[in-house]
Amino acid sequence: SQQGEEDPQALSIQEGENATMNCSYKTSINNLQWYRQNSGRGLVHLILIRSNEREKHSGRLRVTLDTSKKSSSLLITASRAADTASYFCATDDGSSTLGRLYFGRGTQLTVWP
Amino acid sequence: NAGVTQTPKFQVLKTGQSMTLQCAQDMNHEYMSWYRQDPGMGLRLIHYSVGAGITDQGEVPNGYNVSRSTTEDFPLRLLSAAPSQTSVYFCASSYSITGGSLFFGSGTQLSVL
Repeated sequence: SQQGEEDPQALSIQEGENATMNCSYKTSINNLQWYRQNSGRGLVHLILIRSNEREKHSGRLRVTLDTSKKSSSLLITASRAADTASYFCATDDGSSTLGRLYFGRGTQLTVWP
Repeated sequence: NAGVTQTPKFQVLKTGQSMTLQCAQDMNHEYMSWYRQDPGMGLRLIHYSVGAGITDQGEVPNGYNVSRSTTEDFPLRLLSAAPSQTSVYFCASSYSITGGSLFFGSGTQLSVL
């Protein structure tokens, strides 16, 4: 399976601290995406990074991609209590059309006030 | 725009019953997909479609049928419900069939007794 795997499974930090989550995958990809899921809700897209990109920023989010190691990291800077959620990485199957998008099992982030 | 709308939000079935989970999007997205989310398992792809009249299987298609007669609608049919199909089901769509972010519905919580 191409399914990405997030690490750690759970992360607990104080407000103001940075949170780093990692994702590893198995085969070639076209792009990698990160999503957030608040409890009881659907997933919300955060950021997409293409295979020819190494780093991307969006507000307090920073994503890196290392295709040689087949891994990605999501950094949330200056975390807030509202960032408490599950975070998932998703990868495609490297084909030319969007077919299967594989999700990992997620990292549960808790940010304490 | 309503985005991706799923109905019902909650459903309880008895083993052997059939039902259809509805999914509709008003964003004219070509790509639509169904996922199930189980505790500790992340999201697993059931079926997907890259346009009206075109569907394909995902990771866990057994016990589910789909059809795509219009761009807007992508219903998921459970033919004979089993307790193993107890899960939260998410429908998602994308503007791009060549790799883009997914827009998720709010989910359907299904319990099979």
